[in-house]
Amino acid sequence: QKEVEQDPGPLSVPEGAIVSLNCTYSNSAFQYFMWYRQYSRKGPELLMYTYSSGNKEDGRFTAQVDKSSKYISLFIRDSQPSDSATYLCAMRGIQGAQKLVFGQGTRLTINP
Amino acid sequence: DTEVTQTPKHLVMGMTNKKSLKCEQHMGHRAMYWYKQKAKKPPELMFVYSYEKLSINESVPSRFSPECPNSSLLNLHLHALQPEDSALYLCASSQRHISGNTIYFGEGSWLTVV
Repeated sequence: QKEVEQDPGPLSVPEGAIVSLNCTYSNSAFQYFMWYRQYSRKGPELLMYTYSSGNKEDGRFTAQVDKSSKYISLFIRDSQPSDSATYLCAMRGIQGAQKLVFGQGTRLTINP
Repeated sequence: DTEVTQTPKHLVMGMTNKKSLKCEQHMGHRAMYWYKQKAKKPPELMFVYSYEKLSINESVPSRFSPECPNSSLLNLHLHALQPEDSALYLCASSQRHISGNTIYFGEGSWLTVV
């Protein structure tokens, strides 16, 4: 079983829809949670960074962490065609300098 | 725009060639990373430099040789590569090599080995 599970999709939704992207994980030591957006043939770009549990909002993006369920989510409101990309969840434990563990990435397409 | 700059953006090399990938950051970060990413896969960690010293080598074959000349620069020297080494090579940096610090990626260098 992988430490981090993420549905690779592809996920296709109409413009303006609310998008929900999710990851589950098995390592209860994970405390730092990130979402990266990666456009085709580009490097990953940090979207959201959350420590421990709770919600964080930035514009149209909301990140949620539910540590009791070992489940994290990224919501995109009023989705735009420019949001079409692969979204990678990533997480790390708190001790020392632990490796960033990525999900497989979900390929998202927003249709005009 | 990312503040981690990688050159070249694209590189095609033969299996007997020697080439280098270069990375530069001016954010004052003291940890720098090389990752390798194959198509439809997440990035895989190769090397970590902390304060210009190699701190992690993820059992990478010796045909990949990293170098950190100073706190702003990171190189990856390539020699005798195989076609299966074709991938996107990502440089990244963070303030320090500790879990609480965010890792920022460059745009990547696309490598094709022929």
